[in-house]
Amino acid sequence: ILNVEQSPQSLHVQEGDSTNFTCSFPSSNFYALHWYRWETAKSPEALFVMTLNGDEKKKGRISATLNTKEGYSYLYIKGSQPEDSATYLCAFMEYGNKLVFGAGTILRVKS
Amino acid sequence: DVKVTQSSRYLVKRTGEKVFLECVQDMDHENMFWYRQDPGLGLRLIYFSYDVKMKEKGDIPEGYSVSREKKERFSLILESASTNQTSMYLCASSILYEQYFGPGTRLTVT
Repeated sequence: ILNVEQSPQSLHVQEGDSTNFTCSFPSSNFYALHWYRWETAKSPEALFVMTLNGDEKKKGRISATLNTKEGYSYLYIKGSQPEDSATYLCAFMEYGNKLVFGAGTILRVKS
Repeated sequence: DVKVTQSSRYLVKRTGEKVFLECVQDMDHENMFWYRQDPGLGLRLIYFSYDVKMKEKGDIPEGYSVSREKKERFSLILESASTNQTSMYLCASSILYEQYFGPGTRLTVT
């Protein structure tokens, strides 16, 4: 079974702080890397799907980078807001549509 | 918008009962998946299906089976529920890369 690791496990920040999380994945047989946001009592929601080494994606205050050669991706949140509080999941796609998820990073933003 | 629905948000069953978890998607997606989520472990793939009547084992299929008689519906079956199957169960459907998730069913087996 492939190993996808996320760090930190949890993070508590103040409103306005910028923060970042890491996702580590196997560097071989790479197909795509996914980031999801999962808010309490809601469905996980796709943030980014990244396929190329060096990819950088941005959606509002959230951005992500990808390094497939060394097997890591960073997710950045600029100026965290309470509504950013969620679990952030990354998932490695080896082939086809099968995803292997990390355990997630729980973010809590205090106002 | 893609919609993935699951039959129950919360379910309480007794040990040994047969349990059906239903998932329906409305976007004609070919691929459907069942995951369970446990604290500290992330989402783990139980079974998936690429087409009607097709199924593939995921990483943790033991104690589960699935049924896909129609394209839009993918059922997860716990033949004889056990306490270690207490978990959050999530269904997803996909086309190409992105997976769309249902809201989850929190199953408690007592």
